[in-house]
Amino acid sequence: DQQVKQNSPSLSVQEGRISILNCDYTNSMFDYFLWYKKYPAEGPTFLISISSIKDKNEDGRFTVFLNKSAKHLSLHIVPSQPGDSAVYFCAATSGTYKYIFGTGTRLKVLA
Amino acid sequence: DTAVSQTPKYLVTQMGNDKSIKCEQNLGHDTMYWYKQDSKKFLKIMFSYNNKELIINETVPNRFSPKSPDKAHLNLHINSLELGDSAVYFCASSQGGRGSIPEETQYFGPGTRLLVL
Repeated sequence: DQQVKQNSPSLSVQEGRISILNCDYTNSMFDYFLWYKKYPAEGPTFLISISSIKDKNEDGRFTVFLNKSAKHLSLHIVPSQPGDSAVYFCAATSGTYKYIFGTGTRLKVLA
Repeated sequence: DTAVSQTPKYLVTQMGNDKSIKCEQNLGHDTMYWYKQDSKKFLKIMFSYNNKELIINETVPNRFSPKSPDKAHLNLHINSLELGDSAVYFCASSQGGRGSIPEETQYFGPGTRLLVL
């Protein structure tokens, strides 16, 4: 049972445009959500997070939106840059030393 | 300075062998993790250790035995390796692990690519 789903395995976006990566979850006990970025042959690196008491968190070009009623979160990158090309994982936790990851979305930003 | 390091980076071995993967973090964190990323790229938690104590064991076969000699190290020993164990194994660490504050973000190692023939 996959509690965190990223239904788009890949996404291509033109440089300078907005990239929107989506993530759905099923467990209503999750109260903290994270996005990680992963380059080939490297471990995931933390990008941005959001607590369930918020619906938006912004950090530079990256914004995460949380819609609790829909159990949906999204990551917006604007403007997209070629260096943003990577695999993006969303993850969720209910505060139990356990993080559930999605399967990732491969983003390709075209120059 | 690498924050979370794993050795070896690549491991190719025969079925039935026993192997170990080492993980060290120099961040002063008190929680460490092992994840498995399978061929479908699904990153799944295996174990969580907090202050050298096992907190999470996600129904991993008992051929997998984590060992934490101190807070900075969490090694993974695998007995009687099987073909299905082929995957990338990631170690991670965090301060705390209840995950509800930004300070408890996980930092990942570069991964160990295990291939069982």
